[in-house]
Amino acid sequence: KQEVTQIPAALSVPEGENLVLNCSFTDSAIYNLQWFRQDPGKGLTSLLLIQSSQREQTSGRLNASLDKSSGRSTLYIAASQPGDSATYLCAVRTPTGNQFYFGTGTSLTVIP
Amino acid sequence: NAGVMQNPRHLVRRRGQEARLRCSPMKGHSHVYWYRQLPEEGLKFMVYLQKENIIDESGMPKERFSAEFPKEGPSILRIQQVVRGDSAAYFCASSPGIQETQYFGPGTRLLVL
Repeated sequence: KQEVTQIPAALSVPEGENLVLNCSFTDSAIYNLQWFRQDPGKGLTSLLLIQSSQREQTSGRLNASLDKSSGRSTLYIAASQPGDSATYLCAVRTPTGNQFYFGTGTSLTVIP
Repeated sequence: NAGVMQNPRHLVRRRGQEARLRCSPMKGHSHVYWYRQLPEEGLKFMVYLQKENIIDESGMPKERFSAEFPKEGPSILRIQQVVRGDSAAYFCASSPGIQETQYFGPGTRLLVL
């Protein structure tokens, strides 16, 4: 059964810092991997989607990488801002595409 | 194009009552997924439906829980005889196809007293 782990569970950084969030998964047979943002009491916002054949995706200050063979993905956030404060979730899609397996998230606080 | 809509956003029920959670997918999306987020835990897949069909319900408890996605109207997640352990945030996602991006709704937060 696929298990997704995110480290660290919580992270606090001063504004302007670059940071890396980590995601690892136990079964490399995935269809794709997606990074989401969740604000308190809100739903999930999709940030980046990486197909299993891809190595990385970029959107603005965000860059996500995927190393399927080692079961790892990283989300890089450049020049962090207080508005980036949220919980970041990593999710892998099964090859059949039916469901996501989610990590428990990294709670990020960017201090002004 | 409105996003995925869920209602109610908050629902309070007493033990033994029924809870009905509704999800309207994005326009043009015929695939719906339900997830549950228990306090201090990650989201867990419950069920995947296409119009009028349950495709995968491997994550849904065998008793008291049911889901449907009728030809007309929203998808419904129904929880009978709720217990305190059912208190959680229930999220719905939709996609236009099975292997395409899932778009999530804002969730329904169920509190069982």
